[in-house]
Amino acid sequence: DQQVKQNSPSLSVQEGRISILNCDYTNSMFDYFLWYKKYPAEGPTFLISISSIKDKNEDGRFTVFLNKSAKHLSLHIVPSQPGDSAVYFCAASARYSGAGSYQLTFGKGTKLSVIP
Amino acid sequence: DVKVTQSSRYLVKRTGEKVFLECVQDMDHENMFWYRQDPGLGLRLIYFSYDVKMKEKGDIPEGYSVSREKKERFSLILESASTNQTSMYLCASSTQTSGRDWQFFGPGTRLTVL
Repeated sequence: DQQVKQNSPSLSVQEGRISILNCDYTNSMFDYFLWYKKYPAEGPTFLISISSIKDKNEDGRFTVFLNKSAKHLSLHIVPSQPGDSAVYFCAASARYSGAGSYQLTFGKGTKLSVIP
Repeated sequence: DVKVTQSSRYLVKRTGEKVFLECVQDMDHENMFWYRQDPGLGLRLIYFSYDVKMKEKGDIPEGYSVSREKKERFSLILESASTNQTSMYLCASSTQTSGRDWQFFGPGTRLTVL
């Protein structure tokens, strides 16, 4: 059973426009969420995270929004650039829930293509 | 700057061979992880370790084993490689220090089993 779902396998956006990547989760114990970016033939790199005590976290062109009641988070990239073309993975952990494991559960990823 | 290195970028092995994938991190991280990435399936956790000589099964441990004899090194072992183990293998590490505990990934090893 998938606990972290990224329902869009791919997304195409024009350069300069906003990219919105979505992620849903089912496990109520998740309290920390991360986005990773992955280029082909490279390992994923950490992009941005958000704790469940917040509903928004911003870092430059990247903003993550968390809606706990809907168990939904989204990553906004504004403005989108061709170099943002990559696979984006959503991940979640039960960091503050006493599990103590720091284990991450990943979604299947969304491939973003930013068209010049 | 955290560095996670993996012994090979590309590896080709034959069915039935014993395969060792090595991972080394240089930031004194307590936690280390092995994942495999397959198209349409995302990243799936194979094994992880919170301490030297300690290991825990992830979601798909069948056909794999691990070894952590030193804190900086975490090895993934395929006892008898099979074609369905052809995949991209990713190693990651993280610290238990609060606020800096996201996982850092190595570059990956693309393993092909013929």
